[in-house]
Amino acid sequence: QQPVQSPQAVILREGEDAVINCSSSKALYSVHWYRQKHGEAPVFLMILLKGGEQKGHDKISASFNEKKQQSSLYLTASQLSYSGTYFCGTLPSTSGTYKYIFGTGTRLKVLA
Amino acid sequence: DAGITQSPRHKVTETGTPVTLRCHQTENHRYMYWYRQDPGHGLRLIHYSYGVKDTDKGEVSDGYSVSRSKTEDFLLTLESATSSQTSVYFCAISESLAGEVDTQYFGPGTRLTVL
Repeated sequence: QQPVQSPQAVILREGEDAVINCSSSKALYSVHWYRQKHGEAPVFLMILLKGGEQKGHDKISASFNEKKQQSSLYLTASQLSYSGTYFCGTLPSTSGTYKYIFGTGTRLKVLA
Repeated sequence: DAGITQSPRHKVTETGTPVTLRCHQTENHRYMYWYRQDPGHGLRLIHYSYGVKDTDKGEVSDGYSVSRSKTEDFLLTLESATSSQTSVYFCAISESLAGEVDTQYFGPGTRLTVL
């Protein structure tokens, strides 16, 4: 069962903040976040591991709540280049493999 | 950028014909994946490989088979293409060093249309 991402879509003005959530029905070992521009391949943003700390670079950060099986991606002071579809990729704790399960995606559009 | 190529990049075929998509990497990564991407479903795993000749099914493997005879190549075959297999197919690679989970790097994708 795919993780649920919320919201499904969001429109921002440049400089505004956004939060994208990823919720899984399974216990997770790690969560990856990717951004995909239209017609292109997904590009890695960051990885969060069970027991790890909140990560971030530049104005994008993320958190991982193991107990709630949730991760959130925080976009601060959004830029036009942040537009795209964001996916979380999850690795269940009980998987015993490296079979990732991706969320359904969140479409984000930043307007000037 | 990770060295991943996919071929062909675009293909139109007819229902009932076999189709093979190729993923080639120059990174010598152990793990390789095939995903399909459809509107409303995001990325769904078809098959993955954890080494030469070692493969495992993903969540949407029916109608697909894979082979990996060399580290660098991972082939996806649609045994008898159907219109429901019209999709964009992405290959991805990753590595795991000392048990640490690494990120996935995606290829440019193959757009397949089955008429």
